[in-house]
Amino acid sequence: GDSVTQMEGPVTLSEEAFLTINCTYTATGYPSLFWYVQYPGEGLQLLLKATKADDKGSNKGFEATYRKETTSFHLEKGSVQVSDSAVYFCALSDRGGSNYKLTFGKGTLLTVNP
Amino acid sequence: DVKVTQSSRYLVKRTGEKVFLECVQDMDHENMFWYRQDPGLGLRLIYFSYDVKMKEKGDIPEGYSVSREKKERFSLILESASTNQTSMYLCASSPHASETQYFGPGTRLLVL
Repeated sequence: GDSVTQMEGPVTLSEEAFLTINCTYTATGYPSLFWYVQYPGEGLQLLLKATKADDKGSNKGFEATYRKETTSFHLEKGSVQVSDSAVYFCALSDRGGSNYKLTFGKGTLLTVNP
Repeated sequence: DVKVTQSSRYLVKRTGEKVFLECVQDMDHENMFWYRQDPGLGLRLIYFSYDVKMKEKGDIPEGYSVSREKKERFSLILESASTNQTSMYLCASSPHASETQYFGPGTRLLVL
């Protein structure tokens, strides 16, 4: 079945450092890919998504490019802030009929120090 | 803004109790989902529903049931709570044929 593998954390960075969180997937079809973020004490929020190969999703300075040839969707940010400290989840959609389910990776905890 | 609310942020129950977790969404979404989140395991789908009175098993339905009597409300039921059901429970909703899910704040359940 479909699966998502993302780099294990925790990841600890200093403010203004460059961030990469790796994500690779296995899917039988052509899924859409997502990054969700969970801030402390909150539910998940959609951060960005890409629906087809070579699409780039971006939001709040974060970017990820859908790479079909490497089945990857790595999350990047050029300069992290303390407020980016959160758990980041990579996910893919799985279409069953006319509706979708999401398959999530295990999450990566990011801590950004001042 | 889409709003998904869950009835409790924190809940403490005893082994063997029947537990109800309630989720309400205010955006007329057809699809609703229940997940549990555990450290090192990520999010795992328990049950989901594509319409009122419809339900489908997710990846880990054992020990759980659900109820969807109204479109906006999706309840997760632990018939006889056990300590291995101590977890964070997250509810989500999405419109028909949409991939994007919107999450509630979660209920942290402790079963003693």
